[in-house]
Amino acid sequence: GAVVSQHPSRVICKSGTSVKIECRSLDFQATTMFWYRQFPKQSLMLMATSNEGSKATYEQGVEKDKFLINHASLTLSTLTVTSAHPEDSSFYICSAMSSGGQETQYFGPGTRLLVL
Amino acid sequence: DAKTTQPPSMDCAEGRAANLPCNHSTISGNEYVYWYRQIHSQGPQYIIHGLKNNETNEMASLIITEDRKSSTLILPHATLRDTAVYYCIVRVGGSARQLTFGSGTQLTVLP
Repeated sequence: GAVVSQHPSRVICKSGTSVKIECRSLDFQATTMFWYRQFPKQSLMLMATSNEGSKATYEQGVEKDKFLINHASLTLSTLTVTSAHPEDSSFYICSAMSSGGQETQYFGPGTRLLVL
Repeated sequence: DAKTTQPPSMDCAEGRAANLPCNHSTISGNEYVYWYRQIHSQGPQYIIHGLKNNETNEMASLIITEDRKSSTLILPHATLRDTAVYYCIVRVGGSARQLTFGSGTQLTVLP
């Protein structure tokens, strides 16, 4: 299947700082990428839909000024958590959609964020 | 997208077939059934998907009932590495829409 990478795999930062997470589709082009968040013992929750060359669409309750998404190319989307707080500590997972029929989504390995 | 219902947990002996059920009684004609799994602390892994015909790949088989109201994911020879949360998701095919994850089935493969 298609490969999606994320960087970094884990990050620890101080409260008030910003953290950038990269999501790349390595062997296919993705016009649409998704960002999910997963808290311990919970399922994945969609944060936003990222479309190449346009503004991201955020889910209700997700602050677009806090979680900045940029999808500048067909293989790269970035999520920046601005002014991170301890409650932003979570597992952030991106997915990229391959085109051509049923639009299967492939997920990255996830980024574990810990805000102290 | 149609709602799915899965048992919260299942056990399976190593080497045996694991049969994971999923109910999707409100599925529409243009909705596909997707299966993903998530091993602890990793991103979800795509397994298989289908519309109405049974499907098989190197990982698993997907059996969809004739009325499409339920399906079964079959791992033919479960190994310890198959221990994971398995998600059954129904979604319209050909659409650039997100996947909606339920709580899935925690499959534990026992030695």
